[in-house]
Amino acid sequence: EADIYQTPRYLVIGTGKKITLECSQTMGHDKMYWYQQDPGMELHLIHYSYGVNSTEKGDLSSESTVSRIRTEHFPLTLESARPSHTSQYLCASSDYGATNEKLFFGSGTQLSVL
Amino acid sequence: AQTVTQSQPEMSVQEAETVTLSCTYDTSESDYYLFWYKQPPSRQMILVIRQEAYKQQNATENRFSVNFQKAAKSFSLKISDSQLGDAAMYFCAHITQGGSEKLVFGKGTKLTVNP
Repeated sequence: EADIYQTPRYLVIGTGKKITLECSQTMGHDKMYWYQQDPGMELHLIHYSYGVNSTEKGDLSSESTVSRIRTEHFPLTLESARPSHTSQYLCASSDYGATNEKLFFGSGTQLSVL
Repeated sequence: AQTVTQSQPEMSVQEAETVTLSCTYDTSESDYYLFWYKQPPSRQMILVIRQEAYKQQNATENRFSVNFQKAAKSFSLKISDSQLGDAAMYFCAHITQGGSEKLVFGKGTKLTVNP
């Protein structure tokens, strides 16, 4: 089992609320990633980080923001949730990067915005 | 732009039989990596197998093997002696060596294993 944890597992929230999806890993990995996955669709990279104080936007434009203050923690925040944000969000980490090392994925957060 | 296409949204196989999942990709790069990831229902996604484009030999991991056809840009996954625990979504993915950390995924193939 990978030591990467996401909370909450499921979240149902009303429009306009601020939410933070938590992601933590205990493997000491420098690189961390956030993917968005709609049902029956491919995963899209929305944010990634090379290490502390490093954050980059991925391919898919997202209104979410991330921070990386500690190596083990990579939270994702939505300031004002909307129904269009309804999706599954997957966090992942790796030691040497996606090319040289496999990604370890969390169990995901299924977000529903009403 | 890199793309990954999985043309089989769903596949089924009888337990102990062999099944092949298809994947094609498009890239203008010569150095890249290909992956198959497995996502069981309500469980974490895990790496099944990885292939470096510069290696001609097909990767193998126990019952899982790939057929990598670089010229055809094809990367199929063969599962031998299928087990009930193989039931999952399988995602093919591609990344360019030396590029950004942008792993590009296909839409996935849902594999059902019938007892």
